[in-house]
Amino acid sequence: NAGVTQTPKFQVLKTGQSMTLQCAQDMNHEYMSWYRQDPGMGLRLIHYSVGAGITDQGEVPNGYNVSRSTTEDFPLRLLSAAPSQTSVYFCASRDRRLNEKLFFGSGTQLSVL
Amino acid sequence: AQTVTQSQPEMSVQEAETVTLSCTYDTSESDYYLFWYKQPPSRQMILVIRQEAYKQQNATENRFSVNFQKAAKSFSLKISDSQLGDAAMYFCAYSRTYKYIFGTGTRLKVLA
Repeated sequence: NAGVTQTPKFQVLKTGQSMTLQCAQDMNHEYMSWYRQDPGMGLRLIHYSVGAGITDQGEVPNGYNVSRSTTEDFPLRLLSAAPSQTSVYFCASRDRRLNEKLFFGSGTQLSVL
Repeated sequence: AQTVTQSQPEMSVQEAETVTLSCTYDTSESDYYLFWYKQPPSRQMILVIRQEAYKQQNATENRFSVNFQKAAKSFSLKISDSQLGDAAMYFCAYSRTYKYIFGTGTRLKVLA
């Protein structure tokens, strides 16, 4: 069981460039989400999805787009990268039960110069 | 809006001793879930323990236990018989439906 797979693990972008962070899970989880982790700020929710075709905003959605065309995949798009988006990004999934734990990917270290 | 506060940015504990990490939260809801996650230097997020708010009994997982005080909105984590492998960032998290609110984390150092 691969769990939650995130790619790439590291990425350096120039201001204004676009890119997509990939996230895939093989556990048939309905719920998927993206977080960013910044020093001293914990993890903050960017976007989440409760099923294919359904997405919603989290705490810090500006500058990010998501889509959910399949149960397995939940990519995060940066349309025009800014230095403020330098962070570690985590994808996480969970089944429908609210008390279940989040399964996290290994994270993507993104630097925007 | 819900908030989660971890007031201890860093804690230290001697190996084999006990340490308690604090977490308080603010919510007007009566039904919710609380979690403690561990993040070692590998960056992997690992669930340590979880608590359903409707359960009065405090959750326990081996050396890890919580002190859940619903009225005080407090959810502290106690680590007994601390081991070197317990050194990590610890995050407290609140969830009610699909939005998770994480605290800013406490870095735990374990001294040999």
